Amino acid sequence: AQKITQTQPGMFVQEKEAVTLDCTYDTSDQSYGLFWYKQPSSGEMIFLIYQGSYDEQNATEGRYSLNFQKARKSANLVISASQLGDSAMYFCAMREVDSSYKLIFGSGTRLLVRP
Amino acid sequence: GAVVSQHPSRVICKSGTSVKIECRSLDFQATTMFWYRQFPKQSLMLMATSNEGSKATYEQGVEKDKFLINHASLTLSTLTVTSAHPEDSSFYICSASPSGTGLFSNQPQHFGDGTRLSIL
Repeated sequence: AQKITQTQPGMFVQEKEAVTLDCTYDTSDQSYGLFWYKQPSSGEMIFLIYQGSYDEQNATEGRYSLNFQKARKSANLVISASQLGDSAMYFCAMREVDSSYKLIFGSGTRLLVRP
Repeated sequence: GAVVSQHPSRVICKSGTSVKIECRSLDFQATTMFWYRQFPKQSLMLMATSNEGSKATYEQGVEKDKFLINHASLTLSTLTVTSAHPEDSSFYICSASPSGTGLFSNQPQHFGDGTRLSIL
C-alpha cells in the first residue's frame, strides 16, 4: 500500500491566487513527521515546511502553510499568493519512527503558475 | 544553513564504466546519509541508507553489488555505480541530516543538487 499519496499529478493556478496541494499518508505509528519539498526543473530539493504528528497547530512558513488533519491522515500544502517562481514539482514526504530517519516520498504534484 | 554538496552534477560515459558520485555535508556531521534515484517525471525512490563506519542498508530490489556505498567519514558518502549500463541512466540525489537530529525535530534532510547520469 502507498505510504504517501498525492492524487494530483498536475495543477494550474493563476498568479497571486492560493492553491492547495493534497497529501494523504498511511501509518500505524503515533509518532511521525511530515515534510513538503519543492523541486524546480533544475533538480534540487528545497525544503518548504514540516509538521510533527504531535504538533497541535498547523505549521506555517511565510506563504506556505500546512493543513494538518490527523484523523483524516492528510497534510495538504497551501501556497498563498502564488508567484511564477512557484512553478515546480512538489513532494510530500513522511518520516516514521525508525532508527534511520529515512523519508518516504509521494509521487509528486506538478504546479504551473499562470501569469 | 546546512549544506550538502554532491559531485559531479552531470556524468556522461560509456557502457561498462564505473562511476563514483560523492556526497559531502559541508557544515555539519552526518552519521547517516541517504541515496535516492529519480526517473524522469517520477518521485524519489530511496536506494539505500549510508551508515558511517558500517555497511549500508539497501532497500528491497536494489542490487548491492551494482550500487556500492561507502561512508568512510562523518562528512562523506560515496555511491559507485559499477559497470554501468544504459538502464542505470537516471538522476541520483543524496541527502543528510545533522547527527543527533531527533525524529521529531523539524530539522529536514538536506539534499545535494543531484547527479544526472547518462550511460551511452
